[in-house]
Amino acid sequence: DAGVIQSPRHEVTEMGQEVTLRCKPISGHDYLFWYRQTMMRGLELLIYFNNNVPIDDSGMPEDRFSAKMPNASFSTLKIQPSEPRDSAVYFCASSSGTGNSQPQHFGDGTRLSIL
Amino acid sequence: SQKIEQNSEALNIQEGKTATLTCNYTNYSPAYLQWYRQDPGRGPVFLLLIRENEKEKRKERLKVTFDTTLKQSLFHITASQPADSATYLCALGASGGYNKLIFGAGTRLAVHP
Repeated sequence: DAGVIQSPRHEVTEMGQEVTLRCKPISGHDYLFWYRQTMMRGLELLIYFNNNVPIDDSGMPEDRFSAKMPNASFSTLKIQPSEPRDSAVYFCASSSGTGNSQPQHFGDGTRLSIL
Repeated sequence: SQKIEQNSEALNIQEGKTATLTCNYTNYSPAYLQWYRQDPGRGPVFLLLIRENEKEKRKERLKVTFDTTLKQSLFHITASQPADSATYLCALGASGGYNKLIFGAGTRLAVHP
């Protein structure tokens, strides 16, 4: 089975540009999570969805960040306008089941560099 | 505020020895705890889950303990191998019907031949 697929793997862009990160979760999974990982702050949860509905976006740093999940097989995380402090690795993860302890399956991330 | 602490310094051990990694937490009462492995340039990979009513969980060469009184989990790798070298993350989960996890910063393990 294919795992969580993220694109692009690397993104380098200039400050002020719009950045869109994409994620395809594992088929059948009903939870989708967006994380950001930096050396200073570790792995931080930004937002997560259940059945395509945003449940908790309290980790989204500011209004420049937005996330959507138009269907069960696709999600985007958008940063507009981007700033150098947004440079990080962004991970998408998915999980299944109604239980609250299911393992999360991570993609290999998008390494974002804002110049 | 909720805080999770893992050894920030790398753990260096000799092949064949047992590696023990620590995860301490404060201001939190997790219903369960998970351990993940992360290799450079890759996403975290789930290893083990232990619930608050379990003291110990094993899987092959891996063992996890969970002490809710001490607010601590220990992660052991017995008969360690160079291939076990990676960063190990603990993650605490809340009860209540959703799968939100809070991750520690991770401990880097290096197993030397």
